[in-house]
Amino acid sequence: EADIYQTPRYLVIGTGKKITLECSQTMGHDKMYWYQQDPGMELHLIHYSYGVNSTEKGDLSSESTVSRIRTEHFPLTLESARPSHTSQYLCASSELRFGGNTIYFGEGSWLTVV
Amino acid sequence: DQQVKQNSPSLSVQEGRISILNCDYTNSMFDYFLWYKKYPAEGPTFLISISSIKDKNEDGRFTVFLNKSAKHLSLHIVPSQPGDSAVYFCAAKWSNTDKLIFGTGTRLQVFP
Repeated sequence: EADIYQTPRYLVIGTGKKITLECSQTMGHDKMYWYQQDPGMELHLIHYSYGVNSTEKGDLSSESTVSRIRTEHFPLTLESARPSHTSQYLCASSELRFGGNTIYFGEGSWLTVV
Repeated sequence: DQQVKQNSPSLSVQEGRISILNCDYTNSMFDYFLWYKKYPAEGPTFLISISSIKDKNEDGRFTVFLNKSAKHLSLHIVPSQPGDSAVYFCAAKWSNTDKLIFGTGTRLQVFP
């Protein structure tokens, strides 16, 4: 069972507001990720980190930014939210297992921008 | 271009019978495959994985089969239970990256 926590779970905010989605894991995993999923669509990687002070853009372009100051914490920030940012954001971390990395997800943050 | 495809958006199975979820991939570089289950408004939960050096991996009611020549994998759930009703995502990666490529998911409904 993975211990990875996201807050808030649900958020409705107005256009132009700044929002930070929090993600914490207690497993000591070095690798952490942010995925974005629209309803009925596949998950897309938007950010990843291989450790403290390491952040990289994922496959899907995103206007959000991330930081990794502590191993257990990987927050995602939108400086100025827009309705196009409405989506589910999933944080994850990974460990090496059975010959490959297994990624464990948090419960997700549903963001609605009005 | 979708590298991981789940062509069946939904599947309905009677309780106690076998559920078979299918996944096809196009990138022959993939060498590790995972299945996740996702309930509405929750994050995906890891179910089972398989390395490309194997063709079968079993964990309780869940078995994943990999056919590398056909670039196809499947998840078998036996016996199916109502609690298995969820969306199932297939995912793949290759060894020099930790980035998972996901399919679009198959919604499984297990009815009594």
